[in-house]
Amino acid sequence: DGGITQSPKYLFRKEGQNVTLSCEQNLNHDAMYWYRQDPGQGLRLIYYSQIVNDFQKGDIAEGYSVSREKKESFPLTVTSAQKNPTAFYLCASSIRDRGLLEQFFGPGTRLTVL
Amino acid sequence: GESVGLHLPTLSVQEGDNSIINCAYSNSASDYFIWYKQESGKGPQFIIDIRSNMDKRQGQRVTVLLNKTVKHLSLQIAATQPGDSAVYFCAQTGGGNKLTFGTGTQLKVEL
Repeated sequence: DGGITQSPKYLFRKEGQNVTLSCEQNLNHDAMYWYRQDPGQGLRLIYYSQIVNDFQKGDIAEGYSVSREKKESFPLTVTSAQKNPTAFYLCASSIRDRGLLEQFFGPGTRLTVL
Repeated sequence: GESVGLHLPTLSVQEGDNSIINCAYSNSASDYFIWYKQESGKGPQFIIDIRSNMDKRQGQRVTVLLNKTVKHLSLQIAATQPGDSAVYFCAQTGGGNKLTFGTGTQLKVEL
């Protein structure tokens, strides 16, 4: 089955610790995205990557970092500099010519910082 | 700044009735408008998109209407089913190769 996976589904961390969220896709998609979703709000873009070894900041990149060393993988690190990291994090991917339109989302990781 | 908002946070409909979910947007320069469906605990799922030079597009049981005069987008779901219960987001393309999402409307289908 082709798809996009995120792990773990639930993640707990202590305040001040960095944490890395995994995102893997086997859809052969060029572009990958990270969004943050808070209760009662829409999705906000953290980082996106249109090609391997390249990525751009989204609207709320402060306190986050990413890497894109492989086409299939786009891990997100939530650093201690992120003031309010507790949220639902969604990873997405898309083919280049449908890039912004038809994004395929993973199941999400719910991060709770204690 | 850009914003995409929804008129009603919660919509309750009877099974079999038609549903209409509304969305107001602010960025007139968007090329595309998109609807996503998000079921509880899952990631959003693409439903349908419409190009800015169109005013109507139909899919399977869904129709999207775009009124650029009043900056309004709507999603119509025919013969609503229990499986349609979810949060529906509108989104629009914008500068910098990104989407701007609305806050979402919860659709509840009553049996």
